[in-house]
Amino acid sequence: GAVVSQHPSRVICKSGTSVKIECRSLDFQATTMFWYRQFPKKSLMLMATSNEGSKATYEQGVEKDKFLINHASLTLSTLTVTSAHPEDSSFYICSARVARDYGYTFGSGTRLTVV
Amino acid sequence: GQQLNQSPQSMFIQEGEDVSMNCTSSSIFNTWLWYKQDPGEGPVLLIALYKAGELTSNGRLTAQFGTTRKDSFLNISASIPSDVGIYFCAGQSDYGGATNKLIFGTGTLLAVQP
Repeated sequence: GAVVSQHPSRVICKSGTSVKIECRSLDFQATTMFWYRQFPKKSLMLMATSNEGSKATYEQGVEKDKFLINHASLTLSTLTVTSAHPEDSSFYICSARVARDYGYTFGSGTRLTVV
Repeated sequence: GQQLNQSPQSMFIQEGEDVSMNCTSSSIFNTWLWYKQDPGEGPVLLIALYKAGELTSNGRLTAQFGTTRKDSFLNISASIPSDVGIYFCAGQSDYGGATNKLIFGTGTLLAVQP
């Protein structure tokens, strides 16, 4: 089945630094990937839709300049949290979907802690 | 962001009991999905529903796509300790295409006592 690999699983960074999270589709090509944010005991909130070869589409209220998304190939999307602050600490999860296939496969998530 | 209303918020049951949870929306969805999430992990797909009225089973799990396309329910029969986790419904509203996004429910925390 379709596998999505997300790296790193955990990261701790200092305030003001940037952190990059990778999402890879291992055995399929993903023209579209999705990035979610999840606070403790809360649901997944869609942050943005990442489209291969074009700009990401951000949900209302999500800062484009703070959460940079790059989808340069059919198997890799990256989310960079720029100038991270403690309030950016959260669980970030990516999801990938094969074109013309209605399956959504999720990565195992990245726990970001900003100190 | 938009979310679906999911109930109950949490359930604490004895092993062997049946479980039922549901999800409702004010808008129509063309696809309903049910996921289970373990702590520190991403959601794992349990059941996918693509047609109004559809009833689909996956082992002890059964889910139905409401006829109004605004709701769905998930049943778990004869619960076991490993059923513990958070269950999320998710709806997809756009029809066709490759960039449809999922809207998630608020989640149901299930605890099973042996």
